[in-house]
Formats: sequence, structure tokens, C-alpha cells
Amino acid sequence: QSVLTQPPSASGTPGQRVTISCSGSSSNIGSNYVYWYQQLPGTAPKLLIYRNNQRPSGVPDRFSGSKSGTSASLAISGLRSEDEADYYCAAWDDSRVVFGGGTKLTVL
Amino acid sequence: QLQLQESGPGLVKPSETLSLTCTVSGGSISSSSYYWGWIRQPPGKGLEWIGSIYYSGSTYYNPSLKSRVTISVDTSKNQFSLKLSSVTAADTAVYYCARQIGPYTIFGVVITLDAFDIWGQGTMVTVSS
Repeated sequence: QSVLTQPPSASGTPGQRVTISCSGSSSNIGSNYVYWYQQLPGTAPKLLIYRNNQRPSGVPDRFSGSKSGTSASLAISGLRSEDEADYYCAAWDDSRVVFGGGTKLTVL
Repeated sequence: QLQLQESGPGLVKPSETLSLTCTVSGGSISSSSYYWGWIRQPPGKGLEWIGSIYYSGSTYYNPSLKSRVTISVDTSKNQFSLKLSSVTAADTAVYYCARQIGPYTIFGVVITLDAFDIWGQGTMVTVSS
């Protein structure tokens, strides 16, 4: 049971906009930054979003993050086949880093 | 550019100690702007943070693993290491090392541990007799 709650799966068609939610509590998302990681099949995770809504250099602006209260969301616009991956949210929670259980995104 | 590489035994017997090393190349582990962390992922499951260490030796551990974990740093070799004692089959996982941004101050708030911005490729460790 993960501290942060994500839907196990999401899907969309090419060109579509999809969002992935991440629900937490006042001790994690409610009072700390949220991060998003993308894990392509068979590879290590890659930082996608940091400090709620900041993109590292090289990450397309199709990816965006937002936070409201104790929940956060990752939005992917102009969905592409190469976006098919697992997505994880993360946050600091009372002296530990916690991750969501991950969302498997399928591009139909 | 900076790269991280995990190394260590791929098979560990139950009740023994798992030992892994992460070698940092293309940059210094002694940077004041980063921590260095370990994260694991059991087969088919999600990510779990194990702990992080600063070049000075300051550590943060996941409370759920703290009694069995030791993370150390060797700045002369540009390496940091993980030891996990009394392993069971539940410790079977891909183990990743990663660079973690922090500490820094933003808007007057001190952020100690921020994002994992560079990851190693991971190494699979199986606990089995």
C-alpha cells in the first residue's frame, strides 16, 4: 500500500490529452513539493517534473504538473506512442521520500 | 556528463547482507549541492526509497528499512555504498542509485532532499538459497 495513491492504469489515443492523478495527505503533498518520474519499459526512471510544475531541460512542454491541496496531477498533451510508460509521483513525507504506486499509461 | 553505475552480487542468500556500490563518473560526489540515494523496485512493483547520503556522511533512511540499512560514502573513490542486512525474498528487486538534488533554500524554505535527477541503470539482486 503506497502512501501516495495513483490510478493503476490510464490510456489515450495519439494526439489526445491525458491526466494522471496523485493523491496524498497534509504531511506529504499538502506541505511539500511533488515530483513525477517516467519509466519506459526496461529502463531506469527519468525525472519528468520537479517542484510541482518545473520541467528539467530536455523534457518536452507537452508534459506539465500541477498541485492543489493534497493532490497533484501530471498532464500529457499531444499524446505520442513513445509516451507509453509507467509514471510515478513522489514527495517528501515526515523524514522520508514516498512514491505513488505508479500508473501504467497505454497509448491506444 | 555525470553517470552512475551500480555494482555488486546479483544473488544473495537469505539472512545474509546485500552489498552494492555506486560509482559516480563525470563529476564529483563531494559536491555540496547533492545527496546520493538508493531506490529499489521489486519485480513488477513500484519504487521504494531506501535512503540517501551527503558527501559529509550525513544520512537519511527510510524508517521501514532503517534497522537493516547502512549507506556510506567514499569520496576518494567517488563511490557510495549500500548494505542491507538479514535479507529475505522480499528484498529481491532492481536496486538503483541516483543523484538527489539538495540541500538548497528557495523562498526562504530549506529543501534538504529534492528530486532524483540522474539515475543509474539499475542492478537486479535476487535473494535465494
